Amino acid sequence: EDQVTQSPEALRLQEGESSSLNCSYTVSGLRGLFWYRQDPGKGPEFLFTLYSAGEEKEKERLKATLTKKESFLHITAPKPEDSATYLCAVQSPFTGFQKLVFGTGTRLLVSP
Amino acid sequence: DTAVSQTPKYLVTQMGNDKSIKCEQNLGHDTMYWYKQDSKKFLKIMFSYNNKELIINETVPNRFSPKSPDKAHLNLHINSLELGDSAVYFCASSGQANINYGYTFGSGTRLTVV
Repeated sequence: EDQVTQSPEALRLQEGESSSLNCSYTVSGLRGLFWYRQDPGKGPEFLFTLYSAGEEKEKERLKATLTKKESFLHITAPKPEDSATYLCAVQSPFTGFQKLVFGTGTRLLVSP
Repeated sequence: DTAVSQTPKYLVTQMGNDKSIKCEQNLGHDTMYWYKQDSKKFLKIMFSYNNKELIINETVPNRFSPKSPDKAHLNLHINSLELGDSAVYFCASSGQANINYGYTFGSGTRLTVV
């Protein structure tokens, strides 16, 4: 069964203090690994899709990387508006695009 | 113009009642989903419909019955509500044309059973 584990559960940073969030996965073949951002009271919002080991994608202060066993979401010089829960999910070729398996997320709080 | 809209946003009801949550998407996607998010923020798939046909049913009690009248709508009906059904329910959609973006989620329905 596909599994996703995210760490840490919660992370508190000062504004400007860079860090990384981890997503470890076990999947029978990886079709795609997805990162989402979720703000309180809202649905998850798409950030990145990664398909193969070595791939990297960037958006503003966020950079996602992928290896064969894990993905990292690097946050460079975060701002308070980056505070949110970050969710990682995997998709396997056996369930096609019908199913994403999510981790439990990392709650990020960035203090001014 | 909301892409995936769910109603109601909040639902408070007593144990034993029957309730429905509605979902509509205007993205032209052919697949829709219901996910349940528990108090620990864990999102777990419940159902998936592709072009009105049930594709995934993930060991959900048969008190939960999804219905898709057309590919733009997916409703969730819950019978005999229990305390453990309290959670946030998210509707989502995806399409072959934008598969790289995973899902587009609605804003969720917070169900509280008292």
